Amino acid sequence: DAGITQSPRHKVTETGTPVTLRCHQTENHRYMYWYRQDPGHGLRLIHYSYGVKDTDKGEVSDGYSVSRSKTEDFLLTLESATSSQTSVYFCATVPTPADTQYFGPGTRLTVL
Amino acid sequence: AQSVTQPDIHITVSEGASLELRCNYSYGATPYLFWYVQSPGQGLQLLLKYFSGDTLVQGIKGFEAEFKRSQSSFNLRKPSVHWSDAAEYFCAVGALSNDYKLSFGAGTTVTVRA
Repeated sequence: DAGITQSPRHKVTETGTPVTLRCHQTENHRYMYWYRQDPGHGLRLIHYSYGVKDTDKGEVSDGYSVSRSKTEDFLLTLESATSSQTSVYFCATVPTPADTQYFGPGTRLTVL
Repeated sequence: AQSVTQPDIHITVSEGASLELRCNYSYGATPYLFWYVQSPGQGLQLLLKYFSGDTLVQGIKGFEAEFKRSQSSFNLRKPSVHWSDAAEYFCAVGALSNDYKLSFGAGTTVTVRA
């Protein structure tokens, strides 16, 4: 599997606080994705990146922003966390879009 | 809009019995198809994928899947289930028309009884 790490692995925060999740990869993959996983919904795409400083929205992007200043790091920020953002967040990477996405171990976020 | 349906939310199967998980999709173009497995508290692991060619694809852990264009399906099968196959299984679909961004089904949870 691709060398993908996510930090933190678990986080509990309060409503209204900012939260940043980090995805780090060692595969030099150009494309990176953030998903959230919720029961009954599978995984849904939040944002993705197709290169340094190149990002775009996915299907559930409201309330989230991303940044990618280096190939290896893709940050997901919740500017003001809400309880509806309690979820498990997964990062994935792929060298080209028409290829297999490899997933990180996930971050479990709880917003109280 | 593209969509992926896994009709079965939960399946219980006896160890040693066969397993089939259903996946249907709605896409205009030839899709790329994937099955991933997720054990509790873990990330997603690729079981198998279909991009083109032979419509019957073999994956890891003894799984196989068949792409049937006429039925818009990509069902996953295993002839004899092991207790370690208890997990959640996700079908995912991508296509050129959507820059290969993946759409996932809601998942099927498999319970294996002794």
